[in-house]
Amino acid sequence: DSGVTQTPKHLITATGQRVTLRCSPRSGDLSVYWYQQSLDQGLQFLIQYYNGEERAKGNILERFSAQQFPDLHSELNLSSLELGDSALYFCASSAVVEGTQYFGPGTRLLVL
Amino acid sequence: EDQVTQSPEALRLQEGESSSLNCSYTVSGLRGLFWYRQDPGKGPEFLFTLYSAGEEKEKERLKATLTKKESFLHITAPKPEDSATYLCAVHPPGSNFGNEKLTFGTGTRLTIIP
Repeated sequence: DSGVTQTPKHLITATGQRVTLRCSPRSGDLSVYWYQQSLDQGLQFLIQYYNGEERAKGNILERFSAQQFPDLHSELNLSSLELGDSALYFCASSAVVEGTQYFGPGTRLLVL
Repeated sequence: EDQVTQSPEALRLQEGESSSLNCSYTVSGLRGLFWYRQDPGKGPEFLFTLYSAGEEKEKERLKATLTKKESFLHITAPKPEDSATYLCAVHPPGSNFGNEKLTFGTGTRLTIIP
């Protein structure tokens, strides 16, 4: 158990809908990272927050957004969902910038 | 341009048959190379961080080494429970304070046959 929690574990929704994925980092970790893992593309970095501020952006679509709250938990919002958004979404946290990232169990999203 | 390349894509070994997985990278000014283990449908599990050429780290049957161009994950006398996908990751070139994303390789799927 990495200490990173993610909810929900599974999510099934329809195209065009909006969902919110939640992540609680390990106790004391200030950085939160979001990754997408699909079968054909491996782990892709989406976005990073550090102590409430956006720190780095990767291949995140404009339909996707994220935020980190004062209690350091983070949410990833996915809107206007498409079939191709079906994937595993992982959250990771680290104690300091550039620190080792510890991953949560993931949220499996299925868009029908 | 691929910055992290892992080989082989898949590897099947008999229980007890030692081998090595390779991770080659094109990043200059490496700020850390990370090894993770991932079981199907689960989150990557951290194994090792290596920072400089010549560095080695061990954990049970696993040993990670680093040179200026590549890293190896050596598996000694593996057991069936070592079956998993092993991922390598680095900080991409040009990353500095404020850009801590990891670039992952596509992984090596390791199967240990009893």
